[in-house]
Amino acid sequence: GNSVTQMEGPVTLSEEAFLTINCTYTATGYPSLFWYVQYPGEGLQLLLKATKADDKGSNKGFEATYRKETTSFHLEKGSVQVSDSAVYFCALKEGDAGNMLTFGGGTRLMVKP
Amino acid sequence: NAGVTQTPKFQVLKTGQSMTLQCAQDMNHEYMSWYRQDPGMGLRLIHYSVGAGITDQGEVPNGYNVSRSTTEDFPLRLLSAAPSQTSVYFCASNELGYRDEQFFGPGTRLTVL
Repeated sequence: GNSVTQMEGPVTLSEEAFLTINCTYTATGYPSLFWYVQYPGEGLQLLLKATKADDKGSNKGFEATYRKETTSFHLEKGSVQVSDSAVYFCALKEGDAGNMLTFGGGTRLMVKP
Repeated sequence: NAGVTQTPKFQVLKTGQSMTLQCAQDMNHEYMSWYRQDPGMGLRLIHYSVGAGITDQGEVPNGYNVSRSTTEDFPLRLLSAAPSQTSVYFCASNELGYRDEQFFGPGTRLTVL
């Protein structure tokens, strides 16, 4: 079956630090990959996505590249802000899985001023 | 568009009580789904629907029932609540394509005593 593994948090950084959150996946076919963000007390919002190998998703200064050879989709940001404090979820979706998402366990990011 | 709405926002039940979590979307999406979020486990799929009159089980369906009588609504029923069902519940909807993002509701925080 499909699975997604994320680095455990919490990750605590100072403002303007570089961020990497690792994500690796196992899938039977060719999934689409997603990063979702959950701000305190809210639902999940799509942050970025990539639908095929070597695609780079980007949004709000965050980036992630779909690496089929390493089955990875690591999230990066060059300079984090306090407002980036949230829980980040890596997820995949395959067409033969009812189009439902398989999520990683989530990584909490805390950014201090 | 209101997007995906969920009611109630918070609920406390006693063991053995029943209740229905409501979910509605106004985006005319065919796919709707219910997830539960537990610490360190990400979101796990409970049930999903690929259209009115069609539902199927996800990863953790036991103790939950669903129905889909209209495109807009997808209620989740707990027939006899148990403490193990204490969780945050998210409803989501999406288009048919597997590359498309899922849109999430704000969540319902359920506590079963």
